[in-house]
Amino acid sequence: NAGVMQNPRHLVRRRGQEARLRCSPMKGHSHVYWYRQLPEEGLKFMVYLQKENIIDESGMPKERFSAEFPKEGPSILRIQQVVRGDSAAYFCASSPPSSGGARTGELFFGEGSRLTVL
Amino acid sequence: SQQGEEDPQALSIQEGENATMNCSYKTSINNLQWYRQNSGRGLVHLILIRSNEREKHSGRLRVTLDTSKKSSSLLITASRAADTASYFCASEGSSNTGKLIFGQGTTLQVKP
Repeated sequence: NAGVMQNPRHLVRRRGQEARLRCSPMKGHSHVYWYRQLPEEGLKFMVYLQKENIIDESGMPKERFSAEFPKEGPSILRIQQVVRGDSAAYFCASSPPSSGGARTGELFFGEGSRLTVL
Repeated sequence: SQQGEEDPQALSIQEGENATMNCSYKTSINNLQWYRQNSGRGLVHLILIRSNEREKHSGRLRVTLDTSKKSSSLLITASRAADTASYFCASEGSSNTGKLIFGQGTTLQVKP
């Protein structure tokens, strides 16, 4: 059973370019989360999605950042017009639903996508 | 800041010794979790303790939770060099949406 798959693992972009980060949750998981980790810091919540729905985007910057989790395919975190301050590790996590459709406690994390903006 | 706080920030011990890390959080919680992160890797879930629990064990790990003080501790007994990693606590609020508030982490070095 493959874990949470993220790609690319490393991405280099110049200021003003776009970055697209992909995440395939574990099989059977319907809840996807994106977190950002700056160097030497803990993770900060960005967004929580279920299939075709954004449930909580309270941690997303208001501009340039967007996320989706389509009916088919991976979840995508998109950063437009990147700036140096966007350089960070972006982690995707997933969790399975309980029998009632609500989520359980533990999150399963991918290995992260490390974005460097030159 | 919504981030929790952990102390110490860094801890260096000899193999075989115990390591204790502390975590404080700010709001009421549904559960508190501990994760481990090796350098350059993703986070691995270690243990979850619910708000109505006071202590939990898993192998060499022991977690306590004091909701009156809004604090938790992680004890790793009989440490090994392979335990060298960063350890993060993460609190989940009562909304139960999976939005975790992470602490800044404790970097543990276990010397062989």
